[in-house]
Amino acid sequence: GAGVSQSPSNKVTEKGKDVELRCDPISGHTALYWYRQSLGQGLEFLIYFQGNSAPDKSGLPSDRFSAERTGGSVSTLTIQRTQQEDSAVYLCASSSGSFQETQYFGPGTRLLVL
Amino acid sequence: GENVEQHPSTLSVQEGDSAVIKCTYSDSASNYFPWYKQELGKGPQLIIDIRSNVGEKKDQRIAVTLNKTAKHFSLHITETQPEDSAVYFCAATPGSARQLTFGSGTQLTVLP
Repeated sequence: GAGVSQSPSNKVTEKGKDVELRCDPISGHTALYWYRQSLGQGLEFLIYFQGNSAPDKSGLPSDRFSAERTGGSVSTLTIQRTQQEDSAVYLCASSSGSFQETQYFGPGTRLLVL
Repeated sequence: GENVEQHPSTLSVQEGDSAVIKCTYSDSASNYFPWYKQELGKGPQLIIDIRSNVGEKKDQRIAVTLNKTAKHFSLHITETQPEDSAVYFCAATPGSARQLTFGSGTQLTVLP
């Protein structure tokens, strides 16, 4: 079956512009996660969805970052007024929603802010 | 919150030798410990995980051990092959949270 997909795979933008990153989770997965991976670094948690609700937004680094999920499926991460320090790989993962279930990752979106 | 430290940051081994990567965690409430393998340009892929009710788990050439008292867990890869070359991440999650806290990663290189 299809895994987690993300689009675009690469995004180059200018400082100050807004960007939208999309995640399509595995069909039937109720939990969805966004992580950020800076160059040569580990993964940093951003936000978690259970269905369309986001019970944990604690990892969002600033109010320029927001995310939504509609229909319990697709999620969009929006970064407003991008800064150079936002350059990173943004990874999405999904899981069945049960406790301590495996998180399956997508290939990521590589964002470069010039 | 949880903090996970991972060592070493880089590891080179000869093909056929064993590789060991170690992680420590800070939150004694953590009870789920997955290991991910990330190849260049790809997302992380789960290779093995362990829950706090067991001390060891094995899957073919890969094994993970957990010492809850010392708050550390380790990944063991035996009979390494060139295709094992990748970045490996450990992670932990406390019972109260859903998100994973990752270590900083280990770049494993298997030399032919």
